[in-house]
Amino acid sequence: NAGVTQTPKFQVLKTGQSMTLQCAQDMNHNSMYWYRQDPGMGLRLIYYSASEGTTDKGEVPNGYNVSRLNKREFSLRLESAAPSQTSVYFCASSEERGKGTEAFFGQGTRLTVV
Amino acid sequence: AQSVTQPDIHITVSEGASLELRCNYSYGATPYLFWYVQSPGQGLQLLLKYFSGDTLVQGIKGFEAEFKRSQSSFNLRKPSVHWSDAAEYFCAVGAWAAGNKLTFGGGTRVLVKP
Repeated sequence: NAGVTQTPKFQVLKTGQSMTLQCAQDMNHNSMYWYRQDPGMGLRLIYYSASEGTTDKGEVPNGYNVSRLNKREFSLRLESAAPSQTSVYFCASSEERGKGTEAFFGQGTRLTVV
Repeated sequence: AQSVTQPDIHITVSEGASLELRCNYSYGATPYLFWYVQSPGQGLQLLLKYFSGDTLVQGIKGFEAEFKRSQSSFNLRKPSVHWSDAAEYFCAVGAWAAGNKLTFGGGTRVLVKP
């Protein structure tokens, strides 16, 4: 079972470059999320999608955009990368609201912006 | 808005000794609470979860946690630590009324001495 798959695993960007982080889940989950992880700050929510066709801002959305392409896929785009976006990015998915299930996480993308 | 505090950034424990990690949450409704573990360079793995019912929850790898509503706490415990328990541990609260978002604490890094 693949679960949540993120690509790429590692990426180095120059300031101002753009890129898209891809995420796909095969658990038929309705909700998907993008988090960033920085030392001492836990995981902070960037954007989430409660269901196909909807997206909402999380705690730290500035500098990012997302697309819920279909039920399986949820991408995160950096239009003009900045050094402050150096982080580890995690995609996650979970069942729909009210069922109280946990989130399942991908293995992460380590992004460095120089 | 919900929040989670993990007061201890680092904990060092001897192999075979007991371990307790603290977690305090703030949430206006009935909380859904989780503990995740992250080994170096890896994604997050669910250790245990609390939705309702028995306030003492058993998880994988010999971990347990106790929900105390009066103290807004969900502390994680293990009676006897193994070297393989060295990792970072995250407490999280689920906001199912707001898109199934998980809010994480800052994490506690556990070091195990031989």
